[in-house]
Amino acid sequence: DAGVIQSPRHEVTEMGQEVTLRCKPISGHNSLFWYRQTMMRGLELLIYFNNNVPIDDSGMPEDRFSAKMPNASFSTLKIQPSEPRDSAVYFCASSFGRGPDTQYFGPGTRLTVL
Amino acid sequence: RKEVEQDPGPFNVPEGATVAFNCTYSNSASQSFFWYRQDCRKEPKLLMSVYSSGNEDGRFTAQLNRASQYISLLIRDSKLSDSATYLCVVSGGADGLTFGKGTHLIIQP
Repeated sequence: DAGVIQSPRHEVTEMGQEVTLRCKPISGHNSLFWYRQTMMRGLELLIYFNNNVPIDDSGMPEDRFSAKMPNASFSTLKIQPSEPRDSAVYFCASSFGRGPDTQYFGPGTRLTVL
Repeated sequence: RKEVEQDPGPFNVPEGATVAFNCTYSNSASQSFFWYRQDCRKEPKLLMSVYSSGNEDGRFTAQLNRASQYISLLIRDSKLSDSATYLCVVSGGADGLTFGKGTHLIIQP
């Protein structure tokens, strides 16, 4: 079975550019989570969707970040404009429920903003 | 801000030894507790849930102490393949999901 799919796996961009990260959750899962991981701050929850509806976006750092889930099989996280401090690994996870014990993480997108 | 604290390590442990590490949490309303494992440059994966009565899965034992607000993970007969970062996860209350920054474990031959 296919797990959570993320693309691209690596992204290098210059400050000020728009970055779009993509995620395909596991088929049948109804919750989707976007996380950011850095050495300094660890793993942080950015936003959580349930049945394609954003439920909790309190972790989104600022207006430069936006996330959408147009259907049950696709979500995007967009950063515009990007800044060097956005450099991190961004994980998407999906679950059939809210709790972390049912969450399956994708391989992550390693973002470097120069 | 509510926190989940872990000793970052690294814990350097010889193969076959027993190793234990703790995680403390500050939100007394927390309801669910988990340990995740993350290999270098990989995604986190659920290792085990932590129940109030404690639970064991093979060489791994997890325990919860609500009074002192900490959870522990014990690994017996450690293997080289146990080398990873172990993330403590606390869920519940107004803060939702909170991950610790992880404890780095290195099993040495």
